[in-house]
Amino acid sequence: AQKVTQAQTEISVVEKEDVTLDCVYETRDTTYYLFWYKQPPSGELVFLIRRNSFDEQNEISGRYSWNFQKSTSSFNFTITASQVVDSAVYFCALSEADSWGKFQFGAGTQVVVTP
Amino acid sequence: NAGVTQTPKFRILKIGQSMTLQCTQDMNHNYMYWYRQDPGMGLKLIYYSVGAGITDKGEVPNGYNVSRSTTEDFPLRLELAAPSQTSVYFCASSNRQGIDTEAFFGQGTRLTVV
Repeated sequence: AQKVTQAQTEISVVEKEDVTLDCVYETRDTTYYLFWYKQPPSGELVFLIRRNSFDEQNEISGRYSWNFQKSTSSFNFTITASQVVDSAVYFCALSEADSWGKFQFGAGTQVVVTP
Repeated sequence: NAGVTQTPKFRILKIGQSMTLQCTQDMNHNYMYWYRQDPGMGLKLIYYSVGAGITDKGEVPNGYNVSRSTTEDFPLRLELAAPSQTSVYFCASSNRQGIDTEAFFGQGTRLTVV
């Protein structure tokens, strides 16, 4: 069974500080996919990043970066130089290759960025 | 390109009433899903479909039914609404044809059962 844990319920930062969101996952599959989604106060779900289990290369995309480590089953997400518009709930999600595309979501982390 | 469209956006139901939440996608995705999100919680899978005519239960299917007669449409039926079904419902679709991909979500339907 797949499981996603986001231990941080809420993180509060001041604008321009960096924010790192933790995500730990459990899966028996050797092929799986990890995602981060953003849910702003307006309620929609916005796709941010995707990572495959066979590619542990960490990347930076604009102010977003991620650290994928299979050895610790972690897929952490960092927002650099946070802005007020980054205030949202962030969800980590897991999809296994054998699970017919089903996505398992974590409970989410509320990020509050104050000016 | 509209993506995933859900209707209605808001609805108030009385206990025992029934309704259908509509979902349609124009991306020719084979995979479609219904999730519910309770306040302060993550998303839980209600039902999913891997193609027209094929549906299966997710984590929390009780009280719901689905059908998938076309690739584009995946309606969710609530029979005998209960207060426990008060939630925000999201429809999503994805394409697993050989390439991993993210799920695309609709705007959500906020349902209140009173």
